[in-house]
Amino acid sequence: KNEVEQSPQNLTAQEGEFITINCSYSVGISALHWLQQHPGGGIVSLFMLSSGKKKHGRLIATINIQEKHSSLHITASHPRDSAVYICAPGGSQGNLIFGKGTKLSVKP
Amino acid sequence: EAGVTQFPSHSVIEKGQTVTLRCDPISGHDNLYWYRRVMGKEIKFLLHFVKESKQDESGMPNNRFLAERTGGTYSTLKVQPAELEDSGVYFCASSPTAYEQYFGPGTRLTVT
Repeated sequence: KNEVEQSPQNLTAQEGEFITINCSYSVGISALHWLQQHPGGGIVSLFMLSSGKKKHGRLIATINIQEKHSSLHITASHPRDSAVYICAPGGSQGNLIFGKGTKLSVKP
Repeated sequence: EAGVTQFPSHSVIEKGQTVTLRCDPISGHDNLYWYRRVMGKEIKFLLHFVKESKQDESGMPNNRFLAERTGGTYSTLKVQPAELEDSGVYFCASSPTAYEQYFGPGTRLTVT
């Protein structure tokens, strides 16, 4: 069983839809990262969470430490949101364990 | 402020050759991490430097991989000799605190 499970693996949405990507993990963590990887490969860190909820523009990330679960929400999705979204919990020294990623495609 | 940079962006080498990847972290970041994604798999942790010391190298696949961090500044990752299964994208990240991490653009390594 993988230490980090993301769902769904692939997601196709229409522009404007509300999107949720889920992440469950089995390891103890200090913080959890949500990362975005565009075609071409560069990785951008969207959020780092250790508790509660964070919001940045149309993106919202939540984490429940007791349940070992995090979600990434995108409101009013746009084609430019198309990317792979990766959940990566991290230990106290920062080394991250990566999920396989969720490939999001937003159609106009 | 400059971000994390990696060089080269793409390297194509033959099996058995040696390749050295370089990562320049954000100035002042003591923590430096190497990760890689091989084809079809998730990104995996390789190792973690704090300044010039290896804090955790549990993810290094075998002794063909050698990482160094000179004077706590830039880091190199040498693969010698390269094998076909080493092909993938190698990412570097730096952090001031071992929490938030800033990723470089990655080096795509192709071993033929």
